[in-house]
Amino acid sequence: AQSVTQLDSQVPVFEEAPVELRCNYSSSVSVYLFWYVQYPNQGLQLLLKYLSGSTLVKGINGFEAEFNKSQTSFHLRKPSVHISDTAEYFCAVRWRGAGNKLTFGGGTRVLVKP
Amino acid sequence: DTAVSQTPKYLVTQMGNDKSIKCEQNLGHDTMYWYKQDSKKFLKIMFSYNNKELIINETVPNRFSPKSPDKAHLNLHINSLELGDSAVYFCASSQEGGGETQYFGPGTRLLVL
Repeated sequence: AQSVTQLDSQVPVFEEAPVELRCNYSSSVSVYLFWYVQYPNQGLQLLLKYLSGSTLVKGINGFEAEFNKSQTSFHLRKPSVHISDTAEYFCAVRWRGAGNKLTFGGGTRVLVKP
Repeated sequence: DTAVSQTPKYLVTQMGNDKSIKCEQNLGHDTMYWYKQDSKKFLKIMFSYNNKELIINETVPNRFSPKSPDKAHLNLHINSLELGDSAVYFCASSQEGGGETQYFGPGTRLLVL
C-alpha cells in the first residue's frame, strides 16, 4: 500500500532558527505533493504544492520544499521561524491514477520557542 | 467570506445516538470530501463526491452515510455512535483534477460519551 512518512513527530526549534521537516513517500510513480499547516483548533491550510517542473517550490509564509524523485522525498524548510509558525504540519501525496485521493503523513508538530 | 463551512463546530453526544454534520462550500468546486482526524492527529479520507456522485469510499463502517444534495453541500450522517467515533471530522472541497488544492473546513469536534 502507498504510504507517506513524516520522520519527526515533534520538532522543537528556537525563534529565528531554521527548520526542516522531512517527508518521504513509498512509491516513485508520478505524484503530486502537498504540504499543509494546521494551527491549533483550525482546519488545514495549503502551504505549497509540487505538480511538475522545478523541484524547488516556494510557498506562503516563507516556506519552501524540495522534491527529490530518486529519494522519494519532499522536505519542507524555513530559514527563520517565528513564534506564529507553531503548528502541526502535514505532508500529503496524491498518486496519479488514484483519482483525487490524498494520503497524509502522520504530521509533525513544530514548537517554536522564544 | 467562509469558503468551506461546517456545522456544528462541537458535538457531544451519547453512545448509540444518531447525529449529522453539515458541510457547505461557496468556492464553486465540484468535488467534496470527508476526512477523519483521530486523537493522534492522523488524517484519513473517508469519502469523496464529485458532482453529487460518490467516487471514493474508504473502509468506513456502514454506520457512516454521506449525502450530497447538490454540488455545494456534503453532509455526513452517523448512526449508532460508538466511543471510537470520537474525532475531528473535516470537510474539504476542490476542483476535479489530481493537482488541485483541497480547501478544508474548520472541523467538527465529535465527542461520544
